[in-house]
Amino acid sequence: EIVLTQSPGTLSLSPGERATLSCRASQSVSSNYLGWLQQKPGQAPRLIIYGASSRATDIPDRFSGSGSGTDFTLTISRLEPEDFAVYYCQQYGSSKAFGGGTKVEIK
Amino acid sequence: EMQLVESGGGLVQPGGSLRLSCAASGFTFSTYYMTWVRQAPGKGLEWVANINQDGSGKYYVGSVKGRFTISRDNAKNSLYLQVNSLRVEDTAVYYCARELPRFDLWGRGTLVTVSS
Repeated sequence: EIVLTQSPGTLSLSPGERATLSCRASQSVSSNYLGWLQQKPGQAPRLIIYGASSRATDIPDRFSGSGSGTDFTLTISRLEPEDFAVYYCQQYGSSKAFGGGTKVEIK
Repeated sequence: EMQLVESGGGLVQPGGSLRLSCAASGFTFSTYYMTWVRQAPGKGLEWVANINQDGSGKYYVGSVKGRFTISRDNAKNSLYLQVNSLRVEDTAVYYCARELPRFDLWGRGTLVTVSS
């Protein structure tokens, strides 16, 4: 069973700043099956990155994903007000797992 | 517009049962794996179960095996989750999602509350 650990738990930043979120897996994950989801309060999760680095439909290019093996990163280049949310990494291969989430909050 | 709409949640006593439904529209439902994910209040996401296109393959997280049953009716474009022997710790919002295998389309969820 793969365990995904996200850090930090909370990231306090101002609009316009850069956000860097980390996801570490307990064993190697195929990049094809690593994604990132965004969730705002009271809303369903929304896919933003799949295959470690591909943006989902209608996701702006300020969002980017990178990494391989056991270490993956989500970067938001310049935070917009609508980007403040909780972000989850996800492994969606034959076994499925979610990280515990990183909350990006307004400083 | 592609859409998933869950229903069937509610308040139930420990040991009780519910049948959750997920109605799909705007895409060819029968060609996709489908999945259920849950989220306890204030907590993270937990994958619960998934089912292949024709319903012949079903997979579950260990904590629900023997209690939950996933099924689908492709003629009705619907996904189901029969939840039996409910426990307090099953309290959560239950989401259905489409698997590509990435989970690219989500419903808004239905709340299941298990309490006496």
